[in-house]
Amino acid sequence: GNSVTQMEGPVTLSEEAFLTINCTYTATGYPSLFWYVQYPGEGLQLLLKATKADDKGSNKGFEATYRKETTSFHLEKGSVQVSDSAVYFCALRLSGGGKLIFGQGTELSVKP
Amino acid sequence: NAGVTQTPKFQVLKTGQSMTLQCAQDMNHNSMYWYRQDPGMGLRLIYYSASEGTTDKGEVPNGYNVSRLNKREFSLRLESAAPSQTSVYFCAITTPGQTTDTQYFGPGTRLTVL
Repeated sequence: GNSVTQMEGPVTLSEEAFLTINCTYTATGYPSLFWYVQYPGEGLQLLLKATKADDKGSNKGFEATYRKETTSFHLEKGSVQVSDSAVYFCALRLSGGGKLIFGQGTELSVKP
Repeated sequence: NAGVTQTPKFQVLKTGQSMTLQCAQDMNHNSMYWYRQDPGMGLRLIYYSASEGTTDKGEVPNGYNVSRLNKREFSLRLESAAPSQTSVYFCAITTPGQTTDTQYFGPGTRLTVL
């Protein structure tokens, strides 16, 4: 079936460290891929998205590239800040449908 | 979370009690969704509504009912709450467009069933 798998957390980094959160997916067809972020006590917010292979989504210094050959959409940021501490969710949307399928989420904690 | 409101923010129920979670949007979009969020399991779709008057089951519909009486509101009802329904519930809407649609989430309702 269709699914999303993320690396397990929590991930703890020092400020200005490099961040990678792995995400792989299983899906039929050509899904769109998303990263959502959830700050403490809040709902999810769209961070970035990519709708076709080799697209790169980027926002707020974060980026992710849609890799169809490896069915991956890894999230990266070159220098994290304390304010990036949150839970990050990878998700896919199947072509032709509005429903999202989410990964389990990865908690990021950035220490000063 | 601008444009999607949920009430209440917090609720404690006893097993067997009923309640309705309310969701309203002011963005005039057709599609609305109810998810539950549980530790280590991400978000799971309970029900969704593609348009006013229509509803469909998602991944985990058992124990829930929904109502989409108008375009603006989509409610989720627990007829007889169980401890397994302790969770954080999120309502979401989808912007139109097949290839670029994005979901916007409400702030959530934290429900505890004792």
